[in-house]
Amino acid sequence: AQSVTQPDIHITVSEGASLELRCNYSYGATPYLFWYVQSPGQGLQLLLKYFSGDTLVQGIKGFEAEFKRSQSSFNLRKPSVHWSDAAEYFCAVGGSEYGNKLVFGAGTILRVKS
Amino acid sequence: DTGVSQDPRHKITKRGQNVTFRCDPISEHNRLYWYRQTLGQGPEFLTYFQNEAQLEKSRLLSDRFSAERPKGSFSTLEIQRTEQGDSAMYLCASSLAGGPSEQFFGPGTRLTVL
Repeated sequence: AQSVTQPDIHITVSEGASLELRCNYSYGATPYLFWYVQSPGQGLQLLLKYFSGDTLVQGIKGFEAEFKRSQSSFNLRKPSVHWSDAAEYFCAVGGSEYGNKLVFGAGTILRVKS
Repeated sequence: DTGVSQDPRHKITKRGQNVTFRCDPISEHNRLYWYRQTLGQGPEFLTYFQNEAQLEKSRLLSDRFSAERPKGSFSTLEIQRTEQGDSAMYLCASSLAGGPSEQFFGPGTRLTVL
């Protein structure tokens, strides 16, 4: 069965500090991996995606993620967090074998302190 | 293109009433997905369409739920005899078919069942 685990429910970082949000997945085929961000009461905005090729992917707003097949992980990173990054972050896995429907993790709420 | 739109943004109803939500996808996208998100959780897949054909339904979609996409453009999601457990955010997403593609999400419809 497909599943996504985001081990951290909440993370608090200081503005300007680096950030890493963890994501582990279980998937029975070649995974497509995504990170989305959601502000309160809003829909989801795609930060970045991995389909194939280079395992380090760059996204919007200065985010990047690294796909590690051996660890079944797709962790999200940002070298310097801004107060506007405070939001909830969701990791998701999908694939063409399953109609490209997405399976999401439970999310990580990021708080930024000044 | 203005992206995926959903209507209404908020709906408050009494238990036992029927509600209908609408989703307008990005115009050239032939796949349309519905997800449900409850507080503190990631979105969960409900159903998806390719053009007008409904290709998969989650077991979360009880017989009180029905979705249509009659002309392969907009979609509606109806919930009959609403229950308090139906209170959630209902998210619509669209994508291109054929190969890996990202899903673009609408702002969601927040349903509250009293």
